[in-house]
Amino acid sequence: AQSVTQPDIHITVSEGASLELRCNYSYGATPYLFWYVQSPGQGLQLLLKYFSGDTLVQGIKGFEAEFKRSQSSFNLRKPSVHWSDAAEYFCAVGSRSGGSYIPTFGRGTSLIVHP
Amino acid sequence: DGGITQSPKYLFRKEGQNVTLSCEQNLNHDAMYWYRQDPGQGLRLIYYSQIVNDFQKGDIAEGYSVSREKKESFPLTVTSAQKNPTAFYLCASSTHGQSGSEAFFGQGTRLTVV
Repeated sequence: AQSVTQPDIHITVSEGASLELRCNYSYGATPYLFWYVQSPGQGLQLLLKYFSGDTLVQGIKGFEAEFKRSQSSFNLRKPSVHWSDAAEYFCAVGSRSGGSYIPTFGRGTSLIVHP
Repeated sequence: DGGITQSPKYLFRKEGQNVTLSCEQNLNHDAMYWYRQDPGQGLRLIYYSQIVNDFQKGDIAEGYSVSREKKESFPLTVTSAQKNPTAFYLCASSTHGQSGSEAFFGQGTRLTVV
């Protein structure tokens, strides 16, 4: 069965510092990977996705992620964090079922940004 | 604007009562999903539906029921058999595709049992 591990429950960074959020997945076939962001009391917004091709994926809001098959990882990065980036971040792997890819989510990482 | 609408945003239920959460999408998506979110546990899949009049149980289906009579609608009923119903519920949809497609989410319904 597929699974996603986000080893960091909380991450605290200073505004302007770089950021890396870790994600490891377990999936038997070619993984389809996603990063979502959630503000308090809101739904999830897609930051970026990986299906195939270039292993370095660019997303919205200046985020990027790198797929490393040998490490089963899909870490999210941002070179300079803004206070508005404080939120909950979820990594997900999509498992094929019929015609769609059902997301399985990690437990999330809460990002705290200090001024 | 296309999107997913969940209603109501907040819902209060007395113990022993069934309650239905609404989810409507106008994205013409084939698949729809219901997730439950609890603090520190991420999102857990309750039910999903690939096509009209068909749906499958997810990881935590006990105490929940769904229907998919229209492509646009996927209501979730939280029954009295659900022992811990207080949670944040998220509905999502996605299209079918060879290259895979991401799920789009509604704004959620917070259910509280009083």
